[in-house]
Amino acid sequence: KAGVTQTPRYLIKTRGQQVTLSCSPISGHRSVSWYQQTPGQGLQFLFEYFSETQRNKGNFPGRFSGRQFSNSRSEMNVSTLELGDSALYLCASSPAQGLGTGELFFGEGSRLTVL
Amino acid sequence: AQSVAQPEDQVNVAEGNPLTVKCTYSVSGNPYLFWYVQYPNRGLQFLLKYITGDNLVKGSYGFEAEFNKSQTSFHLKKPSALVSDSALYFCAVSPISGGYNKLIFGAGTRLAVHP
Repeated sequence: KAGVTQTPRYLIKTRGQQVTLSCSPISGHRSVSWYQQTPGQGLQFLFEYFSETQRNKGNFPGRFSGRQFSNSRSEMNVSTLELGDSALYLCASSPAQGLGTGELFFGEGSRLTVL
Repeated sequence: AQSVAQPEDQVNVAEGNPLTVKCTYSVSGNPYLFWYVQYPNRGLQFLLKYITGDNLVKGSYGFEAEFNKSQTSFHLKKPSALVSDSALYFCAVSPISGGYNKLIFGAGTRLAVHP
């Protein structure tokens, strides 16, 4: 089985722009979660989608949003980029239904640099 | 507030020696507990988890973790370290509320295994 695929792997944006990141989960996985990883704040949960519905959200401003499509692929969007948004954005998929199990399969991430 | 603490930024161990990476948590109730590993420029990989039952949990690559409820600790261990174990290790908890895929991660501990 193919793993979790994230695109693009690297991107550079300037302040004020917006960005969209894409994640294709492992086939059959219906839950997709997003995490932000920075040297200062570490790994922080952004949100989780299951069956096209956001069922969990972290403590991030409304500039961060996401969605999930019927094929379980997910996108996250960050609008009005700030320097502090520079980070590795990790997507993770999970096969479990219900409340999940916490056993996540991570992609290699999209590294965003905001100048 | 719910939190995970990994008190050591880095752990150094000689190849063949036992290793321990420490983790303590502050979460109400009976959370799920996890260890993940991150190799350079890669996403996270699941190592093991504790839900309930035996306090010693065995996981991938010969790793195991010991759950201690009275000390709210979940230390990662391996009887004999390999150079290839060198990586960044994250302890995580999943509070019961909010779904099990919403993980709270520790800051990470860099494990360096020397030949």
